[in-house]
Amino acid sequence: NAGVTQTPKFQVLKTGQSMTLQCAQDMNHEYMSWYRQDPGMGLRLIHYSVGAGITDQGEVPNGYNVSRSTTEDFPLRLLSAAPSQTSVYFCASSYPIGTSEETQYFGPGTRLLVL
Amino acid sequence: AQKVTQAQTEISVVEKEDVTLDCVYETRDTTYYLFWYKQPPSGELVFLIRRNSFDEQNEISGRYSWNFQKSTSSFNFTITASQVVDSAVYFCALKGDSSYKLIFGSGTRLLVRP
Repeated sequence: NAGVTQTPKFQVLKTGQSMTLQCAQDMNHEYMSWYRQDPGMGLRLIHYSVGAGITDQGEVPNGYNVSRSTTEDFPLRLLSAAPSQTSVYFCASSYPIGTSEETQYFGPGTRLLVL
Repeated sequence: AQKVTQAQTEISVVEKEDVTLDCVYETRDTTYYLFWYKQPPSGELVFLIRRNSFDEQNEISGRYSWNFQKSTSSFNFTITASQVVDSAVYFCALKGDSSYKLIFGSGTRLLVRP
């Protein structure tokens, strides 16, 4: 198992550019989510998905879009990047919600710099 | 509302000292789950432990131990005989049964000096 993979590892964007952060998992997890990590603020939930075709907003969804067409993939789209979106982005997945095995496992992160 | 507070922003100890990282949580859910994650300097997030609200047994894993106390809404993490490799940021997190969201504390940076 590769676990949770994220690409790219690092990206520099100019203000107004768009890009997609890729996330994939090979554990057949139903639940996937995106977080951003900023200094002194821990991790904050951006969007999450409880299964293919189902997504919902987290704490800080503005400026980001997601879709979930397959169980394996959960891409995060920045439509028009802003300097405030400079952050480290983590994707996570977990076993079914509400089960005793429900624990979120994180990808290695994508470091994004918006100039 | 759900909230996790890690009041210790940074802790510095000398190798072989014991150190306790505090975590206080708030939730209205009667069933909830508490987690600790480690983030070493390399940046990845490593799962350490999960504790269900209906299981108040403390847990020990090698040099790590966790003290869950519902009466004080705390889930503290102790490292015994700390080592330099324990240097990392440690996050406490909470998930209530009524929500899909995992709520993180702001983290405690632990520096273990040789």
